[in-house]
Amino acid sequence: RKEVEQDPGPFNVPEGATVAFNCTYSNSASQSFFWYRQDCRKEPKLLMSVYSSGNEDGRFTAQLNRASQYISLLIRDSKLSDSATYLCVVNGQSDMRFGAGTRLTVKP
Amino acid sequence: DADVTQTPRNRITKTGKRIMLECSQTKGHDRMYWYRQDPGLGLRLIYYSFDVKDINKGEISDGYSVSRQAQAKFSLSLESAIPNQTALYFCATSDLQSGRAGNTGELFFGEGSRLTVL
Repeated sequence: RKEVEQDPGPFNVPEGATVAFNCTYSNSASQSFFWYRQDCRKEPKLLMSVYSSGNEDGRFTAQLNRASQYISLLIRDSKLSDSATYLCVVNGQSDMRFGAGTRLTVKP
Repeated sequence: DADVTQTPRNRITKTGKRIMLECSQTKGHDRMYWYRQDPGLGLRLIYYSFDVKDINKGEISDGYSVSRQAQAKFSLSLESAIPNQTALYFCATSDLQSGRAGNTGELFFGEGSRLTVL
């Protein structure tokens, strides 16, 4: 079993749609959690950290459920520019582990 | 100029050749990482280093070695390249530091080095 697993996708949605990505992790000692965005052939960049209380940044909402070892990312009012691969990242005691990523395509 | 710089950006080589990928950073971070990315597998950790004298194996270190020559430099070597090492390689740094407040743990990536082994 992979340490970090994500929805396989791809997700193809129209502009304005709401889309949710899920991620589970196996290491209960994991301490911090993130969502990264990666555009085609580019390096990953931090989208947002995920806090225990949940957090929101504009159209993006991230949530963490430690008991279920589950992280989610919700994107509201999708824009064409949201098309990318979204990577779930979990920081264990010493290193950062990535999910395989979920590809999102937002269409006009 | 990029804060994390990788060289070369693209390299095509033959089986059995020795290859070195270099990474330098101007962010002043102690922690540095090498990942490889393959389609459908995401990023997998090869090696990481928390300071100049510290080297740690990641998930897939076999066939690779690293050298942390200075705080700012972390190089990845393939002693004898093989075709299944064809991938996109990323170097990254992190501001996470024990006992130091205010760090986010964010990873800062270089632009990647695309390696093809024929």
